[in-house]
Amino acid sequence: SQQGEEDPQALSIQEGENATMNCSYKTSINNLQWYRQNSGRGLVHLILIRSNEREKHSGRLRVTLDTSKKSSSLLITASRAADTASYFCATGIGYSTLTFGKGTMLLVSP
Amino acid sequence: GAGVSQSPSNKVTEKGKDVELRCDPISGHTALYWYRQSLGQGLEFLIYFQGNSAPDKSGLPSDRFSAERTGGSVSTLTIQRTQQEDSAVYLCASSLGGAGPIYEQYFGPGTRLTVT
Repeated sequence: SQQGEEDPQALSIQEGENATMNCSYKTSINNLQWYRQNSGRGLVHLILIRSNEREKHSGRLRVTLDTSKKSSSLLITASRAADTASYFCATGIGYSTLTFGKGTMLLVSP
Repeated sequence: GAGVSQSPSNKVTEKGKDVELRCDPISGHTALYWYRQSLGQGLEFLIYFQGNSAPDKSGLPSDRFSAERTGGSVSTLTIQRTQQEDSAVYLCASSLGGAGPIYEQYFGPGTRLTVT
Protein backbone atom coordinates (compact mmCIF):
# COMPACT_ATOMS: atom_id res chain seq x y z
CA SER A 1 0.00 0.00 0.00
CA GLN A 2 1.10 3.58 -0.62
CA GLN A 3 2.86 5.19 2.31
CA GLY A 4 2.25 8.72 1.06
CA GLU A 5 -1.01 9.95 -0.41
CA GLU A 6 -1.26 13.37 -2.03
CA ASP A 7 -4.35 15.51 -2.00
CA PRO A 8 -5.88 16.81 -4.18
CA GLN A 9 -5.30 14.46 -7.11
CA ALA A 10 -5.56 17.41 -9.49
CA LEU A 11 -5.44 21.18 -9.05
CA SER A 12 -6.07 23.90 -11.61
CA ILE A 13 -5.19 27.55 -10.89
CA GLN A 14 -4.34 30.80 -12.65
CA GLU A 15 -0.86 32.25 -12.88
CA GLY A 16 -0.03 34.34 -9.84
CA GLU A 17 -2.21 32.31 -7.48
CA ASN A 18 -0.83 30.09 -4.75
CA ALA A 19 -1.05 26.30 -4.95
CA THR A 20 -1.23 24.06 -1.90
CA MET A 21 -0.79 20.31 -2.02
CA ASN A 22 -1.02 17.95 0.92
CA CYS A 23 0.55 14.62 1.71
CA SER A 24 -0.50 12.15 4.39
CA TYR A 25 1.45 9.09 5.43
CA LYS A 26 0.94 6.15 7.73
CA THR A 27 4.12 5.21 9.59
CA SER A 28 6.90 7.12 11.32
CA ILE A 29 9.45 8.63 8.98
CA ASN A 30 12.89 10.16 9.25
CA ASN A 31 12.37 12.58 6.39
CA LEU A 32 9.90 13.60 3.71
CA GLN A 33 10.78 14.82 0.25
CA TRP A 34 8.83 16.53 -2.51
CA TYR A 35 9.55 15.90 -6.18
CA ARG A 36 8.21 17.41 -9.38
CA GLN A 37 7.72 15.58 -12.65
CA ASN A 38 7.03 17.10 -16.03
CA SER A 39 7.61 15.94 -19.55
CA GLY A 40 10.49 18.30 -20.12
CA ARG A 41 12.72 17.64 -17.14
CA GLY A 42 11.62 14.28 -15.77
CA LEU A 43 11.52 13.75 -12.02
CA VAL A 44 13.34 16.42 -10.03
CA HIS A 45 13.95 16.77 -6.31
CA LEU A 46 12.47 19.96 -4.83
CA ILE A 47 12.96 19.92 -1.09
CA LEU A 48 13.71 17.61 1.84
CA ILE A 49 12.37 18.14 5.33
CA ARG A 50 13.62 16.07 8.25
CA SER A 51 11.33 14.64 10.90
CA ASN A 52 12.63 17.11 13.51
CA GLU A 53 11.85 20.11 11.28
CA ARG A 54 8.47 21.80 11.04
CA GLU A 55 8.89 24.18 8.12
CA LYS A 56 11.31 24.72 5.29
CA HIS A 57 11.55 27.27 2.49
CA SER A 58 13.20 27.19 -0.89
CA GLY A 59 12.50 30.10 -3.21
CA ARG A 60 8.75 30.14 -3.88
CA LEU A 61 8.31 26.79 -2.15
CA ARG A 62 7.26 26.33 1.46
CA VAL A 63 6.97 22.90 3.02
CA THR A 64 5.50 22.11 6.41
CA LEU A 65 5.61 18.85 8.32
CA ASP A 66 3.33 17.82 11.17
CA THR A 67 4.55 14.50 12.49
CA SER A 68 1.72 14.30 15.04
CA LYS A 69 -0.80 14.33 12.20
CA LYS A 70 1.51 12.44 9.82
CA SER A 71 1.02 15.07 7.16
CA SER A 72 2.95 17.55 5.06
CA SER A 73 2.00 20.39 2.78
CA LEU A 74 3.72 22.00 -0.18
CA LEU A 75 2.87 25.60 -0.96
CA ILE A 76 3.93 27.18 -4.23
CA THR A 77 3.51 30.94 -4.13
CA ALA A 78 2.94 33.22 -7.12
CA SER A 79 2.60 30.24 -9.46
CA ARG A 80 3.79 30.32 -13.06
CA ALA A 81 2.78 28.34 -16.11
CA ALA A 82 6.15 26.58 -15.84
CA ASP A 83 5.05 25.13 -12.49
CA THR A 84 2.59 22.90 -14.37
CA ALA A 85 3.66 19.37 -13.42
CA SER A 86 2.88 16.43 -11.17
CA TYR A 87 4.09 16.77 -7.60
CA PHE A 88 4.97 13.75 -5.49
CA CYS A 89 5.75 13.38 -1.83
CA ALA A 90 8.16 10.64 -0.83
CA THR A 91 8.73 9.37 2.66
CA GLY A 92 12.00 8.03 3.96
CA ILE A 93 11.84 5.24 6.49
CA GLY A 94 15.03 3.89 7.94
CA TYR A 95 18.14 4.29 5.86
CA SER A 96 17.25 2.93 2.49
CA THR A 97 14.34 3.49 0.17
CA LEU A 98 11.79 6.20 -0.42
CA THR A 99 8.10 5.46 -0.84
CA PHE A 100 6.30 7.72 -3.31
CA GLY A 101 2.66 8.72 -3.44
CA LYS A 102 0.57 8.88 -6.61
CA GLY A 103 1.03 12.61 -6.99
CA THR A 104 -0.96 15.79 -7.48
CA MET A 105 -1.33 17.09 -11.04
CA LEU A 106 -1.01 20.87 -11.03
CA LEU A 107 -2.15 22.93 -14.02
CA VAL A 108 -1.26 26.61 -14.00
CA SER A 109 -3.04 28.58 -16.73
CA PRO A 110 -1.65 31.85 -18.10
CA GLY B 1 28.13 17.57 -14.55
CA ALA B 2 26.56 14.52 -16.12
CA GLY B 3 23.32 13.32 -14.62
CA VAL B 4 21.84 9.85 -14.49
CA SER B 5 21.50 8.35 -17.94
CA GLN B 6 19.34 5.47 -19.06
CA SER B 7 19.16 3.47 -22.24
CA PRO B 8 17.27 2.81 -24.34
CA SER B 9 14.83 5.68 -23.99
CA ASN B 10 12.09 3.59 -25.60
CA LYS B 11 11.76 -0.14 -26.02
CA VAL B 12 9.01 -2.04 -27.77
CA THR B 13 9.11 -5.78 -27.38
CA GLU B 14 6.90 -8.76 -28.01
CA LYS B 15 5.32 -10.64 -25.16
CA GLY B 16 7.58 -13.44 -23.99
CA LYS B 17 10.85 -11.79 -25.00
CA ASP B 18 13.56 -10.75 -22.54
CA VAL B 19 14.65 -7.13 -22.21
CA GLU B 20 17.60 -5.38 -20.59
CA LEU B 21 17.47 -1.81 -19.38
CA ARG B 22 20.63 0.08 -18.51
CA CYS B 23 21.36 2.81 -15.98
CA ASP B 24 24.51 4.91 -15.59
CA PRO B 25 24.40 6.69 -12.22
CA ILE B 26 26.10 9.91 -11.27
CA SER B 27 29.79 9.33 -10.63
CA GLY B 28 30.48 8.96 -6.93
CA HIS B 29 26.93 8.04 -5.97
CA THR B 30 27.01 4.79 -4.06
CA ALA B 31 23.24 4.22 -3.94
CA LEU B 32 21.24 3.20 -7.00
CA TYR B 33 17.49 2.60 -7.24
CA TRP B 34 15.12 1.20 -9.82
CA TYR B 35 11.46 2.23 -9.90
CA ARG B 36 8.54 1.52 -12.20
CA GLN B 37 5.84 4.04 -13.07
CA SER B 38 2.66 3.01 -14.81
CA LEU B 39 0.48 5.56 -16.59
CA GLY B 40 -0.94 8.07 -14.14
CA GLN B 41 0.53 6.26 -11.16
CA GLY B 42 3.21 7.00 -8.63
CA LEU B 43 6.57 5.33 -8.47
CA GLU B 44 6.77 1.69 -7.47
CA PHE B 45 10.07 0.76 -5.84
CA LEU B 46 11.76 -2.26 -7.41
CA ILE B 47 15.31 -2.69 -6.12
CA TYR B 48 18.03 -0.76 -4.27
CA PHE B 49 21.82 -1.12 -4.36
CA GLN B 50 24.09 0.42 -1.75
CA GLY B 51 27.80 0.08 -2.27
CA ASN B 52 28.94 -3.52 -2.00
CA SER B 53 26.07 -4.60 0.23
CA ALA B 54 23.52 -7.17 -0.85
CA PRO B 55 20.76 -5.39 -2.80
CA ASP B 56 17.30 -4.81 -1.36
CA LYS B 57 15.13 -6.75 -3.80
CA SER B 58 11.93 -6.45 -1.80
CA GLY B 59 10.11 -4.50 -4.51
CA LEU B 60 10.66 -6.87 -7.43
CA PRO B 61 7.18 -8.01 -8.51
CA SER B 62 8.18 -11.50 -9.66
CA ASP B 63 11.18 -13.73 -10.27
CA ARG B 64 11.11 -12.64 -13.91
CA PHE B 65 12.73 -9.40 -12.74
CA SER B 66 16.39 -9.21 -11.78
CA ALA B 67 19.05 -6.54 -11.61
CA GLU B 68 22.75 -6.33 -11.17
CA ARG B 69 25.23 -3.57 -10.60
CA THR B 70 28.73 -4.08 -11.90
CA GLY B 71 31.74 -2.44 -10.31
CA GLY B 72 29.52 -0.35 -8.09
CA SER B 73 28.47 1.78 -11.04
CA VAL B 74 26.40 0.75 -14.06
CA SER B 75 23.25 -1.25 -13.41
CA THR B 76 21.16 -3.47 -15.67
CA LEU B 77 17.54 -4.37 -15.00
CA THR B 78 16.47 -7.55 -16.79
CA ILE B 79 12.90 -8.63 -17.36
CA GLN B 80 12.51 -12.17 -18.63
CA ARG B 81 9.51 -13.47 -20.56
CA THR B 82 7.90 -10.03 -20.65
CA GLN B 83 4.17 -9.68 -20.11
CA GLN B 84 1.85 -6.86 -21.18
CA GLU B 85 1.49 -5.74 -17.56
CA ASP B 86 5.23 -5.02 -17.55
CA SER B 87 4.57 -2.04 -19.84
CA ALA B 88 5.60 1.06 -17.90
CA VAL B 89 8.32 3.66 -17.59
CA TYR B 90 11.30 2.28 -15.72
CA LEU B 91 13.18 4.95 -13.79
CA CYS B 92 16.63 4.74 -12.31
CA ALA B 93 17.90 7.06 -9.59
CA SER B 94 21.14 7.48 -7.71
CA SER B 95 22.09 9.24 -4.52
CA LEU B 96 24.90 9.71 -2.08
CA GLY B 97 24.57 6.70 0.18
CA GLY B 98 25.79 6.02 3.64
CA ALA B 99 24.60 5.24 7.12
CA GLY B 100 22.36 8.23 7.52
CA PRO B 101 19.00 9.64 6.48
CA ILE B 102 18.00 9.33 2.88
CA TYR B 103 19.64 11.84 0.58
CA GLU B 104 17.83 13.36 -2.36
CA GLN B 105 17.62 11.08 -5.34
CA TYR B 106 18.63 12.12 -8.84
CA PHE B 107 16.53 10.50 -11.51
CA GLY B 108 17.31 9.51 -15.06
CA PRO B 109 14.92 10.22 -17.94
CA GLY B 110 13.52 6.70 -17.84
CA THR B 111 13.01 3.89 -20.31
CA ARG B 112 9.50 3.54 -21.70
CA LEU B 113 8.82 -0.17 -22.15
CA THR B 114 5.92 -1.32 -24.27
CA VAL B 115 5.12 -5.01 -24.43
CA THR B 116 2.90 -5.92 -27.38
